[in-house]
Amino acid sequence: AQRVTQPEKLLSVFKGAPVELKCNYSYSGSPELFWYVQYSRQRLQLLLRHISRESIKGFTADLNKGETSFHLKKPFAQEEDSAMYYCALSANRDDKIIFGKGTRLHILP
Amino acid sequence: GAGVSQTPSNKVTEKGKYVELRCDPISGHTALYWYRQSLGQGPEFLIYFQGTGAADDSGLPNDRFFAVRPEGSVSTLKIQRTERGDSAVYLCASSLVLAGELFFGEGSRLTVL
Repeated sequence: AQRVTQPEKLLSVFKGAPVELKCNYSYSGSPELFWYVQYSRQRLQLLLRHISRESIKGFTADLNKGETSFHLKKPFAQEEDSAMYYCALSANRDDKIIFGKGTRLHILP
Repeated sequence: GAGVSQTPSNKVTEKGKYVELRCDPISGHTALYWYRQSLGQGPEFLIYFQGTGAADDSGLPNDRFFAVRPEGSVSTLKIQRTERGDSAVYLCASSLVLAGELFFGEGSRLTVL
C-alpha cells in the first residue's frame, strides 16, 4: 500500500535561513506528488505538484525516485511561511490522494 | 466564485446518535473526496466519488460510515451509531479532474460525547 512519511512534526527555522521539509513515500510505481499548506485559520490548499515543476512562493520540490523522496525547499525563509505543510501522493491519475501527518514550520524572527 | 462549502461547521452529538455531514463542491468539479482529520494527524482518506459513483471507499473505517452523491454534485457523509472515537474534523474537497488540485472546505468538526 502507498504511504507518505513526514519525519518531522515540528521544524523551527530562523528568518532568512534555508528550509527543507522532508517527505518520503513508499510506492513501487510512478506516483504524482503534491505539497499542501494550511496557514493559520485558512483552508488546506495546494502549494505545488511535481508535474508542474513550478516554484511557488519561493518553494521548490524535486522528485527523487531513487530515494523515494519529495522534499520541499526554500533558500530563504520568511515569517509568512509559518504554517502546516502536508506531503501527498496519488498512485496514478485515477487514484485517491493520501496525505502524510504533516510538519509544522515555525519561522523564528 | 464560491468555494467548497461544508455544513454544519460544528456538530456535537451523543454516543449512539446518527449524524449527517454535507458537502457542496465547486460547480463543475466532478471529483469529490472525504477525509477525516484527528488532532495532530494529517487528513485520512475515507472515500472519493467520480460523478455519482464511489470510485474508492476503501478508507471508510467500518459499515457505520456511508456516503452518497446522488446527482453528482452535493455529497452527504452519514455516520450511524456514533462513537467517541468518531470525533474529528471531517474535510471535503473537490477537484476538476481525478488527482488534480484539491479544493478543500473548512471542515465539519464532529464531537461525540
